[in-house]
Amino acid sequence: EDQVTQSPEALRLQEGESSSLNCSYTVSGLRGLFWYRQDPGKGPEFLFTLYSAGEEKEKERLKATLTKKESFLHITAPKPEDSATYLCAVQASPGNTGKLIFGQGTTLQVKP
Amino acid sequence: DVKVTQSSRYLVKRTGEKVFLECVQDMDHENMFWYRQDPGLGLRLIYFSYDVKMKEKGDIPEGYSVSREKKERFSLILESASTNQTSMYLCASISGQGSPLHFGNGTRLTVT
Repeated sequence: EDQVTQSPEALRLQEGESSSLNCSYTVSGLRGLFWYRQDPGKGPEFLFTLYSAGEEKEKERLKATLTKKESFLHITAPKPEDSATYLCAVQASPGNTGKLIFGQGTTLQVKP
Repeated sequence: DVKVTQSSRYLVKRTGEKVFLECVQDMDHENMFWYRQDPGLGLRLIYFSYDVKMKEKGDIPEGYSVSREKKERFSLILESASTNQTSMYLCASISGQGSPLHFGNGTRLTVT
């Protein structure tokens, strides 16, 4: 069964304290792995897509990496505005529907 | 930018009522999705549609139905609302396989 597990469930950081969020996945075949950011009361906002092991993507203080079994979202020198829930999802192959399987998310709080 | 619009941000309905949640996307996407999001359970797929008048059950379709009469519009129907359907409902669309889902801002439904 295709599955996505995120850890930790919650993470508290001081402003400037770098850390990483983990996303472990089990799929028959990986079409893509996606990272989203979700603010309270809003829909998920797309951050990155990773397609193959070894791939990396960066955006401001965020960097996503991918191996054959997991992905990491590295947050460098975070700021309070980075506080949000970060969701990881996979799109499995074969399949042509585009549906995503989500992890439960990591809620990040960055204190000033 | 892709825009996915959900007609209501908040809804309060009574047990037994028939409830319609509406979603419109403006990018001519083929595939559209309805997820619900609950604390500790993450995002779970209710139904999706890959073309007009075509639909497929997701992981938790019981108690729900959908309608897709036009490409841009995908409706979720709660035939007889129950308290366990109190949740955040998220609509999404996708341009193709390997592409990210684009989400609306969600509808927070409370059934009393």
